[in-house]
Amino acid sequence: NAGVMQNPRHLVRRRGQEARLRCSPMKGHSHVYWYRQLPEEGLKFMVYLQKENIIDESGMPKERFSAEFPKEGPSILRIQQVVRGDSAAYFCASSPRGQGIRELFFGEGSRLTVL
Amino acid sequence: KNEVEQSPQNLTAQEGEFITINCSYSVGISALHWLQQHPGGGIVSLFMLSSGKKKHGRLIATINIQEKHSSLHITASHPRDSAVYICAVNPGSEKLVFGKGTKLTVNP
Repeated sequence: NAGVMQNPRHLVRRRGQEARLRCSPMKGHSHVYWYRQLPEEGLKFMVYLQKENIIDESGMPKERFSAEFPKEGPSILRIQQVVRGDSAAYFCASSPRGQGIRELFFGEGSRLTVL
Repeated sequence: KNEVEQSPQNLTAQEGEFITINCSYSVGISALHWLQQHPGGGIVSLFMLSSGKKKHGRLIATINIQEKHSSLHITASHPRDSAVYICAVNPGSEKLVFGKGTKLTVNP
């Protein structure tokens, strides 16, 4: 049973470009969470999604960031017109169901560097 | 003040030592998680607690809900235990709130 798969593991973008980060949850998991880890800071919640629904995006910046979890395929975190401050590690986690979060299974993270 | 405070921030130990990492939180919670992150690596969930104590191998996690405090203990520490240990709480919603982590280095 494959774990949570994130790709790319490393992504370099120039300012103004777009970054797309993908997360395939564990088999049978329909709840996906995205977190951001800025250098020298703790993890911060960004968004919680179920299949085809955004449940809670209160941790996501209002501008330039969007997330989706389509019926088929991985969850996507999209950052438009990246700036240097977007450089961070982005982690995805999945859970079989919400309701106060059962054990979370994390991916290896995607490390975004903005030049 | 952060909702989740960990101490110490950094910890260096000799192989074989007993290690304690502390986590205090200021909000009501439904569960607390201990996570492990190796340098440049992913995050592994070690424990999820809502009360009492859990043990897995050389790792023990305890929680005192009344005192809003949890500890992670490592017995007979080993260099491969070197990692950042992160405490996270679930305040009843789907959002986890994380501490800043404790960086543990175990020297041979």
